[in-house]
Amino acid sequence: QAVLTQPSSLSASPGASASLTCTLRSGINVATYGIYWYQQKPGSPPQYLLRYKSDSDKQQGSGVPSRFSGSKDASANAGILLISGLQSEDEADYYCMIWHSRVSVFGGGTKLTVL
Amino acid sequence: QVQLQQWGTGLLKPSETLSLTCAVYGGSLSAYQWSWIRQSPGTGLEWIGEISHSGGTNYNPSLRSRVTISLDTPKKQFSLRLNSVTAADTAVYYCARDEDGQIDLWGQGTLVTVSS
Repeated sequence: QAVLTQPSSLSASPGASASLTCTLRSGINVATYGIYWYQQKPGSPPQYLLRYKSDSDKQQGSGVPSRFSGSKDASANAGILLISGLQSEDEADYYCMIWHSRVSVFGGGTKLTVL
Repeated sequence: QVQLQQWGTGLLKPSETLSLTCAVYGGSLSAYQWSWIRQSPGTGLEWIGEISHSGGTNYNPSLRSRVTISLDTPKKQFSLRLNSVTAADTAVYYCARDEDGQIDLWGQGTLVTVSS
């Protein structure tokens, strides 16, 4: 079982909100991890969006709009990236990441389509 | 504005050694970790390892036996060597800067293809 699991795709309409999930493997408690989120568009490297550990321990990437935010669902053992007011430019692949046992681990990514 | 620029051999034969270098422009090596990450359709994003500004290294256990990351402080460059490559090592390789866990700056990427 992968350390981080993301749905492979998600579709949403312009102006709506999209909630992208990153589920941690059983036995790895989401409460103890900062979840990092990255956006990647075709032909470009990933770009850092934000880190979320708790409401009192979070960081927005430089220049990243506030409509990108992070949270957690403890009952699902998952990190969440919420994108509000979706724009066509938000169409991209989104990856979550954690540092686990001193190793950076990425999820498989979610392809977000805005249509 | 800090930028990372990377270069290296793009086509290798099985069993050869992959060698890539990344230069840091417009900034200091200090206070950061300098990483290598690769991306392939089959395995997605995979962190290879990192080196601190003082030269300490940390590698992904899955690649540790084949990987060396080194630092040239006067030139503000860091390098990746991956031995005994196979087709499974075909990927886009990125150099990156890690500030306190967040990978906030990436190189442009280098496609490395391993084929006989």
